[in-house]
Amino acid sequence: EDQVTQSPEALRLQEGESSSLNCSYTVSGLRGLFWYRQDPGKGPEFLFTLYSAGEEKEKERLKATLTKKESFLHITAPKPEDSATYLCAVQAGNTGKLIFGQGTTLQVKP
Amino acid sequence: GAVVSQHPSWVICKSGTSVKIECRSLDFQATTMFWYRQFPKQSLMLMATSNEGSKATYEQGVEKDKFLINHASLTLSTLTVTSAHPEDSSFYICSASLTSGIYNEQFFGPGTRLTVL
Repeated sequence: EDQVTQSPEALRLQEGESSSLNCSYTVSGLRGLFWYRQDPGKGPEFLFTLYSAGEEKEKERLKATLTKKESFLHITAPKPEDSATYLCAVQAGNTGKLIFGQGTTLQVKP
Repeated sequence: GAVVSQHPSWVICKSGTSVKIECRSLDFQATTMFWYRQFPKQSLMLMATSNEGSKATYEQGVEKDKFLINHASLTLSTLTVTSAHPEDSSFYICSASLTSGIYNEQFFGPGTRLTVL
């Protein structure tokens, strides 16, 4: 059964304290791994798509990496405005459906 | 680019009435759209996959007759919650799929908060 597990569930950081969020997955025929940011009461905001092991993508303070079993979202020198829930999802097969993890809620304190 | 809108952003209705939610891809054509619901402090749960010009595919446990989905054009899908009850209160989010070659990415709308009294 396809499965996505994110850890930790919640993470509190001080401003400037770098860390990583983990997304472990079990899926047959990975088509892509997605990272989204979601603020309370809003829809998920697209961050990255990774398609193959070894791929890396960066955007401002965020960097996403992918292996055959997991993905990391590295946050460098976070700011309070980075506080949000970060969702990881995998896409398998030809339907385009995404399987979401439970998310990691990040709080960055000034 | 890749903007998806939803309307309305929130709606309050009485039990037994029907509510229609629209999802539009504003700057691209989406052959496939998806509908999710999200309960507080939980992740997104896929309800159905909507393909333009064909019947929607519903996930196991989702009532087809209660959640009517229509995908009439490449930029518009609608979700109608029929005979809504308080347990249908939730945050409904749509996404639209943008395909380019072998790459397939999904962009989400801002969501619709439904409260059934």
